[in-house]
Amino acid sequence: AQSVTQLDSHVSVSEGTPVLLRCNYSSSYSPSLFWYVQHPNKGLQLLLKYTSAATLVKGINGFEAEFKKSETSFHLTKPSAHMSDAAEYFCVVTFVGFQKLVFGTGTRLLVSP
Amino acid sequence: GAGVSQSPRYKVAKRGQDVALRCDPISGHVSLFWYQQALGQGPEFLTYFQNEAQLDKSGLPSDRFFAERPEGSVSTLKIQRTQQEDSAVYLCASSLGGVSSYNEQFFGPGTRLTVL
Repeated sequence: AQSVTQLDSHVSVSEGTPVLLRCNYSSSYSPSLFWYVQHPNKGLQLLLKYTSAATLVKGINGFEAEFKKSETSFHLTKPSAHMSDAAEYFCVVTFVGFQKLVFGTGTRLLVSP
Repeated sequence: GAGVSQSPRYKVAKRGQDVALRCDPISGHVSLFWYQQALGQGPEFLTYFQNEAQLDKSGLPSDRFFAERPEGSVSTLKIQRTQQEDSAVYLCASSLGGVSSYNEQFFGPGTRLTVL
């Protein structure tokens, strides 16, 4: 069975400070891992994906994530938060040939001025 | 070009009513997915089509839920005899398809269903 655990339901940061959103996964197979962002009243948007190539993955808007097999983790980071980063973030797992996505429960990122 | 569109965006139903939710995928996308997102939760898989074939319906919560994609393009998710626990946002996604590698799923804005 595959699953992801997002360790924080809410994360609050100040604008200009680093962002860390934590995700641990469980998968019987070599996983493909993703981070999606959901802004209010907008569709889910793919931030970045890991599909067994480089373990450090760069995404849009300055976000990146590192796949660590030994820790079964795929944490999302950004060096400097912007007000526009405030949204809900989902860690997602699947594997090649297994079409459906398995979502975590989400982390709400709050950014204060 | 146009993304995935869903209609209606909001639907209020009385308990026991039937509802139909529509999804228009990106043109040319072979695969289409439905997910259910309850309040405060992550989306959960309902069902998956490749063209007109429904290849996986393991996530449909009961036989009151039915999905179709008769011509391999537009899809409709139907819920019969709605219950309060059906209240959620229903998300549709489409992708180019193919099982040999991951194809990004593009999501629509969702339909928010409220059952009174």
